[in-house]
Amino acid sequence: ETGVTQSPTHLIKTRGQQVTLRCSSQSGHNTVSWYQQALGQGPQFIFQYYREEENGRGNFPPRFSGLQFPNYSSELNVNALELDDSALYLCASSSTGTNEKLFFGSGTQLSVL
Amino acid sequence: AQRVTQPEKLLSVFKGAPVELKCNYSYSGSPELFWYVQYSRQRLQLLLRHISRESIKGFTADLNKGETSFHLKKPFAQEEDSAMYYCALSVGDSWGKLQFGAGTQVVVTP
Repeated sequence: ETGVTQSPTHLIKTRGQQVTLRCSSQSGHNTVSWYQQALGQGPQFIFQYYREEENGRGNFPPRFSGLQFPNYSSELNVNALELDDSALYLCASSSTGTNEKLFFGSGTQLSVL
Repeated sequence: AQRVTQPEKLLSVFKGAPVELKCNYSYSGSPELFWYVQYSRQRLQLLLRHISRESIKGFTADLNKGETSFHLKKPFAQEEDSAMYYCALSVGDSWGKLQFGAGTQVVVTP
């Protein structure tokens, strides 16, 4: 059983650029949730994808967008990067059902200069 | 709006002493609450959830709807309990949509 993998592990961008982060879900999981974790804070929910459709969104602007592919892997895209977007981005996969449990990846550390 | 508050950023306890991590929440619906833990150099992982009423690694947590609290307790702390602990509230129809607190760093000294 493979776990949740995220790439890249680290990324440096400049303000105004665009970035794509990737996540491979755990085997058998059909749902991917993305979180942003700023330094010293808990993770904040960005959005969730289920069966290739967005299934709920947190308080993030439209320049944060995502995709889920038929193999349930997912991408997080951020346009027009701002300095405050610097954070650890976490992906978590799960399988819907009454015993749903989140499995987190190690995250992508994004620095915006 | 929903909110999760963990008032302590850092909790330092001696090995063998009791430890209690506080968590308070505000939510208009029926709450589903969790504790997640992150050990050094490891991923964030689920410790326990209130609906299961289970004890994991000696930790328990009781949901108190009157006080809107979900405090995490362990009677005798061990060095391996040193970690970052996050309280989280499910805010949607899926347990994947969580509102996390800011976290409490627990340091257990011998």
